[in-house]
Amino acid sequence: SYELTQPPSVSVSPGQTASITCSGDKLGDKYACWYQQKPGQSPVLVIYQDSKRPSGIPERFSGSNSGNTATLTISGTQAMDEADYYCQAWDSSPLYVFGTGTKVTVL
Amino acid sequence: EVQLVESGGGLVQPGGSLRLSCAASGFTFSSYWMSWVRQAPGKGLEWVANIKQDGSEKYYVDSVKGRFTISRDNAKNSLYLQMNSLRAEDTAVYYCARDRCTNGVCLPAEYYFDYWGQGTLVTVSS
Repeated sequence: SYELTQPPSVSVSPGQTASITCSGDKLGDKYACWYQQKPGQSPVLVIYQDSKRPSGIPERFSGSNSGNTATLTISGTQAMDEADYYCQAWDSSPLYVFGTGTKVTVL
Repeated sequence: EVQLVESGGGLVQPGGSLRLSCAASGFTFSSYWMSWVRQAPGKGLEWVANIKQDGSEKYYVDSVKGRFTISRDNAKNSLYLQMNSLRAEDTAVYYCARDRCTNGVCLPAEYYFDYWGQGTLVTVSS
């Protein structure tokens, strides 16, 4: 089955840029999306179709997808961005595949 | 405002059954594919099952095939997950999620979840 791999953790200083990678075989040929999940809360969609932001998501969140890697970038990271982030893509079985998740810590 | 509210979770013994419900509001429920996604304690997200707008197509992750059944009642704006032969590894928070796809056949660009419920905890333990 298809697998998406993320780094377990990423640390970033306030105001700096955080980059979270998501690796999968020929991931660039698929669409990737990203979810943010804060402790005790449900996931929230922050990026879809590789680079599009849903209404209400700050511009500091951006995404890209090429080759075998999708990347979520948080520019000017704020304390409120501290959360777990999951990438997700579509495959034939199972239909939806999630990445292993990355904990972003704002130091 | 889109709202998804799950219910039905609880403590159940191994081998037991449980039925989860998800009440939807704020959108035309019958126009969307719907999914269940779960998250074991301290672990990542796992898609469990989804169902087409009219209930005619259903898909499952291999680990629940033959044990779980997804269904919906469009007249009641509700999604269900019947879980039988439960195992300890089924212990998780179960989320109801709206698939972005509004077509009978989904485009690759539509395979994501744009709204999630708050989740309901299922604990399988003796």
